[in-house]
Amino acid sequence: NAGVTQTPKFQVLKTGQSMTLQCAQDMNHEYMSWYRQDPGMGLRLIHYSVGAGITDQGEVPNGYNVSRSTTEDFPLRLLSAAPSQTSVYFCASNKGVGRSPLHFGNGTRLTVT
Amino acid sequence: AQSVTQLDSQVPVFEEAPVELRCNYSSSVSVYLFWYVQYPNQGLQLLLKYLSGSTLVKGINGFEAEFNKSQTSFHLRKPSVHISDTAEYFCAVSDGTNAGKSTFGDGTTLTVKP
Repeated sequence: NAGVTQTPKFQVLKTGQSMTLQCAQDMNHEYMSWYRQDPGMGLRLIHYSVGAGITDQGEVPNGYNVSRSTTEDFPLRLLSAAPSQTSVYFCASNKGVGRSPLHFGNGTRLTVT
Repeated sequence: AQSVTQLDSQVPVFEEAPVELRCNYSSSVSVYLFWYVQYPNQGLQLLLKYLSGSTLVKGINGFEAEFNKSQTSFHLRKPSVHISDTAEYFCAVSDGTNAGKSTFGDGTTLTVKP
């Protein structure tokens, strides 16, 4: 049972480059989300999805795009990377109700130079 | 809107000593409360959760937490810590209206010293 799988684990980008962080879950969860983790700032919600074809913005959406074409996959796109996007990114999923705990991937550590 | 405040950013403690990590929350509706643990270079994993019923909930690795509605708190405790408990701990809150979204505190780094 793989749970939530994120790729890549590490990535270095130059300012202005684009890339996609991949996230897949095999638990048939309706809800998926992306967080970024920065020192002393906890986890901040970037975008989330309540089902295939439905996405919405979180607390810090600027500079990121998402789409949800299937229940399993929820990629995060950086269109033009900036040094301020240097962070650790986590994908998470749950059953789509408030009482359901989040299941997290192992994270992607992104450095933008 | 809901928010979470973790009152201590760092908690150093000696091995076998008790520990309490403090969490306060605010919300205008009934909430569900969670503690997650993050070991170095790993993702977050669920430690315990409060959904309803008994205000004292037990989790993995000997941790427990008490929900106090009047003080809007959900403090995490362990009577005797081990070196392996060194990690970052996050308190989170969600409610029944937000389709699975959770709001997280800033985290508390627990360092257990020999």
